Amino acid sequence: DVKVTQSSRYLVKRTGEKVFLECVQDMDHENMFWYRQDPGLGLRLIYFSYDVKMKEKGDIPEGYSVSREKKERFSLILESASTNQTSMYLCASSSLKNRGDIPYNEQFFGPGTRLTVL
Amino acid sequence: AQSVTQLGSHVSVSEGALVLLRCNYSSSVPPYLFWYVQYPNQGLQLLLKYTSAATLVKGINGFEAEFKKSETSFHLTKPSAHMSDAAEYFCAVTPGGTYKYIFGTGTRLKVLA
Repeated sequence: DVKVTQSSRYLVKRTGEKVFLECVQDMDHENMFWYRQDPGLGLRLIYFSYDVKMKEKGDIPEGYSVSREKKERFSLILESASTNQTSMYLCASSSLKNRGDIPYNEQFFGPGTRLTVL
Repeated sequence: AQSVTQLGSHVSVSEGALVLLRCNYSSSVPPYLFWYVQYPNQGLQLLLKYTSAATLVKGINGFEAEFKKSETSFHLTKPSAHMSDAAEYFCAVTPGGTYKYIFGTGTRLKVLA
């Protein structure tokens, strides 16, 4: 059974703290993603990694950084947490699937981390 | 540019009634389309996907969706709602050959006893 796990389900931090969110997948997927989810805004991509040590900015990277030292692990870092980073954070992983002429990615999600910054 | 629109941020149905959740997309290339379900305080679980095979796609928990290219729609249906279907549902599109997913803003389904 495919599995994406996140280190914490709930996290409470103070403004200015450095926050680490960890994600591990056991499917040997090349791609890993970090999203944040806010009511009325859906899911927004923060960062994406397509290989070890490789990363690309998503739609809202400001205030975040990421690290991928091993294929199965992708970390999201809030260098100095702020109250506007209070949100649900979702990790996903994917690999390329072939269907017809054009391959596509199918993403599998972790359970999420609900982060509150006070 | 690709986009996804989910009409209705909240939908209420009676138990046993038809569920219809709407999703319209725009894509400049043939799309791959997905419906995900999210139960409270959980991650997203794949319900079903359209990958250019059959236009009527069956998923888990009795849900299905029909890809209609002429209407650029991929609406999600279930003939008879169950209390356990109460959740938030997300439609997503990914252009083939890319990693990027574009998600709709979600529809929260409430099932009334």
